[in-house]
Amino acid sequence: GQNIDQPTEMTATEGAIVQINCTYQTSGFNGLFWYQQHAGEAPTFLSYNVLDGLEEKGRFSSFLSRSKGYSYLLLKELQMKDSASYLCAVRGNSGYALNFGKGTSLLVTP
Amino acid sequence: DVKVTQSSRYLVKRTGEKVFLECVQDMDHENMFWYRQDPGLGLRLIYFSYDVKMKEKGDIPEGYSVSREKKERFSLILESASTNQTSMYLCASSFTGTGRHGYTFGSGTRLTVV
Repeated sequence: GQNIDQPTEMTATEGAIVQINCTYQTSGFNGLFWYQQHAGEAPTFLSYNVLDGLEEKGRFSSFLSRSKGYSYLLLKELQMKDSASYLCAVRGNSGYALNFGKGTSLLVTP
Repeated sequence: DVKVTQSSRYLVKRTGEKVFLECVQDMDHENMFWYRQDPGLGLRLIYFSYDVKMKEKGDIPEGYSVSREKKERFSLILESASTNQTSMYLCASSFTGTGRHGYTFGSGTRLTVV
């Protein structure tokens, strides 16, 4: 099975940087995903890591350490519209289903 | 624009009714999934399908069944709806294997069972 942990809630200030951590314990690993979900909407894809290291895409970056079972999502130059839930998900060896953490609700304040 | 379309955005059903939730994708994806999302519990996998007429149980299949007669359509069936099945239901689809984009999600169906 898979156990995926991330903080329940975080608060940060507009313009700041925030790091959302995700730890996982899995029986197999074939990639880690981050999704953003605004209230009442479907999750949308943010990033994908399968090898160790940092993936950067604009204001968002994601890091993976497979040996530590650890990932983080880094959001820079926070904007009010970044207030959302951020979901960490791991794909096992089957290549099919993703297992999701419970999500981190991020509130960006002025 | 590629899409996963869920037939209803909001649905209210009575206890004991048989409920059908429909999902259609236009991306020729092999895999389709049904999740439910509840506050504090996150996204939990109900069923998935990796090919036409194939299905696999997820983590919480009890009280649900699925049907995939065509590649583009995946239906979730609540055989006898109960109040504990009130939830947001999300359909998703994907290619098999190591694709970096993971899932494409539908907009969700918020089901209330009264």
